Amino acid sequence: GNSVTQMEGPVTLSEEAFLTINCTYTATGYPSLFWYVQYPGEGLQLLLKATKADDKGSNKGFEATYRKETTSFHLEKGSVQVSDSAVYFCALSDFGNEKLTFGTGTRLTIIP
Amino acid sequence: DVKVTQSSRYLVKRTGEKVFLECVQDMDHENMFWYRQDPGLGLRLIYFSYDVKMKEKGDIPEGYSVSREKKERFSLILESASTNQTSMYLCASSKNPGQGIGANVLTFGAGSRLTVL
Repeated sequence: GNSVTQMEGPVTLSEEAFLTINCTYTATGYPSLFWYVQYPGEGLQLLLKATKADDKGSNKGFEATYRKETTSFHLEKGSVQVSDSAVYFCALSDFGNEKLTFGTGTRLTIIP
Repeated sequence: DVKVTQSSRYLVKRTGEKVFLECVQDMDHENMFWYRQDPGLGLRLIYFSYDVKMKEKGDIPEGYSVSREKKERFSLILESASTNQTSMYLCASSKNPGQGIGANVLTFGAGSRLTVL
């Protein structure tokens, strides 16, 4: 079956540091890949997505590249801000499948 | 602003009580989902529905049932609440895959935190 493995948290960084949150996946088909973010007290919201190999998703300074050869979709940001403090979830869905499989989430805290 | 609304943000119930969690979306989405979120376990799918009166079990359906009588509303029911059902419950909706931009992207509600004593 499908599965998503992401970096254990929590992760604590100083403001303006470089961020990487690792995500690898196992899927039987040709999945779409997603990063969702959950700010304190809120539901999840889509951060970025990629639907095929070598696609790069980007939003709010975050980027992730769909790497089929390494089955990875690592999240990166060049300079984090305090407002980026949240829980980040990697997820996948098989082509034509309505359901998403989520990773366990990585809590990120940015200190000034 | 489109959204998914969960009727209760916080509930406290006693063991054995029947619990209803309500979710309404205003985006005319076909698919609706109930997830459970627990620390260290991420999000686990309880049930989802791809049409009115249609439902499919997710990964952890035991102890739960659902109802979808109208397209915009999806209810999660705990017939007899137990302490191990204390959790954050997240409702989400999406368009069907292949329906263009935004398809298969989930829009989530703010969550319902349930405590069972």
